[in-house]
Amino acid sequence: GAVVSQHPSRVICKSGTSVKIECRSLDFQATTMFWYRQFPKQSLMLMATSNEGSKATYEQGVEKDKFLINHASLTLSTLTVTSAHPEDSSFYICSARDNRYTEAFFGQGTRLTVV
Amino acid sequence: QKEVEQNSGPLSVPEGAIASLNCTYSDRGSQSFFWYRQYSGKSPELIMSIYSNGDKEDGRFTAQLNKASQYVSLLIRDSQPSDSATYLCAVKNIEGDMRFGAGTRLTVKP
Repeated sequence: GAVVSQHPSRVICKSGTSVKIECRSLDFQATTMFWYRQFPKQSLMLMATSNEGSKATYEQGVEKDKFLINHASLTLSTLTVTSAHPEDSSFYICSARDNRYTEAFFGQGTRLTVV
Repeated sequence: QKEVEQNSGPLSVPEGAIASLNCTYSDRGSQSFFWYRQYSGKSPELIMSIYSNGDKEDGRFTAQLNKASQYVSLLIRDSQPSDSATYLCAVKNIEGDMRFGAGTRLTVKP
């Protein structure tokens, strides 16, 4: 399968600051990337879908001004959590897909803790 | 109604037994179905994908799909303690989005 690298794996930040999470496809061109959030003992919740070169499509209830997604190249998407608050603490996971694969491949996930 | 539904469990089976995990979905136009395994604190990893009705076998894993009933299942034969994890059913809907079920927590007891 294809390799997706997500960085950082863990981050602790102060309330009110912003955090950027990177998601890279290492051996394929990711035409579509997905960002998920997972709270403890809950399933993955899709936050947004981004296609390279276009604006992300956000799921209902996800604030696009708070969770900034950039998919400027076929191998990189970033999620920026702006003005983070403790309730934003969660496990954030990206996944990426290209036209050759039906399935999406996941990054390692980022554990965000806002203190 | 949730798009993808799973019994959250927990499901407990003895080592060597068959574990059966079930999933139903609401979007009749869905074409692609996946099972992911997620260990605690880790990202999901793909175990099986299935696209047509019937069974698909890969080692100890068998995925079963019934589009008429909108049902997909995963059977794990000869269950091992290392199979203990949360199993996520995922369905790619007609818009191309990957939607996940809540996951079923499986415990295989030695």
